[in-house]
Amino acid sequence: DVKVTQSSRYLVKRTGEKVFLECVQDMDHENMFWYRQDPGLGLRLIYFSYDVKMKEKGDIPEGYSVSREKKERFSLILESASTNQTSMYLCASKATGQANTGELFFGEGSRLTVL
Amino acid sequence: EDQVTQSPEALRLQEGESSSLNCSYTVSGLRGLFWYRQDPGKGPEFLFTLYSAGEEKEKERLKATLTKKESFLHITAPKPEDSATYLCAVQGAGGFKTIFGAGTRLFVKA
Repeated sequence: DVKVTQSSRYLVKRTGEKVFLECVQDMDHENMFWYRQDPGLGLRLIYFSYDVKMKEKGDIPEGYSVSREKKERFSLILESASTNQTSMYLCASKATGQANTGELFFGEGSRLTVL
Repeated sequence: EDQVTQSPEALRLQEGESSSLNCSYTVSGLRGLFWYRQDPGKGPEFLFTLYSAGEEKEKERLKATLTKKESFLHITAPKPEDSATYLCAVQGAGGFKTIFGAGTRLFVKA
């Protein structure tokens, strides 16, 4: 059964803390994505990566960074968490080439609360 | 700019009461329109991909259709287990980005 696994389902952090959200996929996908989901706003793309050590900014990258040292792992980093980063964070992966149907495979999500 | 708008925001149905969800989109060079289902506290789960106007796809009580400007998700004789948020998304000519709508929350009462 194919899977995208997010390491933390629920986190509570304080303003100014550094936060790491980890995502691992077992499908050998080249493309990985980080979205945040807020009520009424839908899913918004933060960063994506199309290969190891490659990263591209999405629509809302401010306050975030990412790391992709291995093909299966894509990490989202909040250098100094702020209350407006309280949200649900979703990791996704997608195949490329002939296997690419456009379908995104999502993890279960990480709900982050910043106090 | 690529954009996706879904309506209504929420829809309440009685079991067996058929209805449709709407997804209006603006995209440069549509490469695919996607429907996902999302249960509370979980990640979205893929339902359908539509590639060109006139295309239709079905799965159990769900049927997705596509025109040049919008897509509909028709739900026939829904059951309480169909209650979820349904997300519409598009991928344009750029290829990498998938743009999502805000979703329609569906509630089906027994």
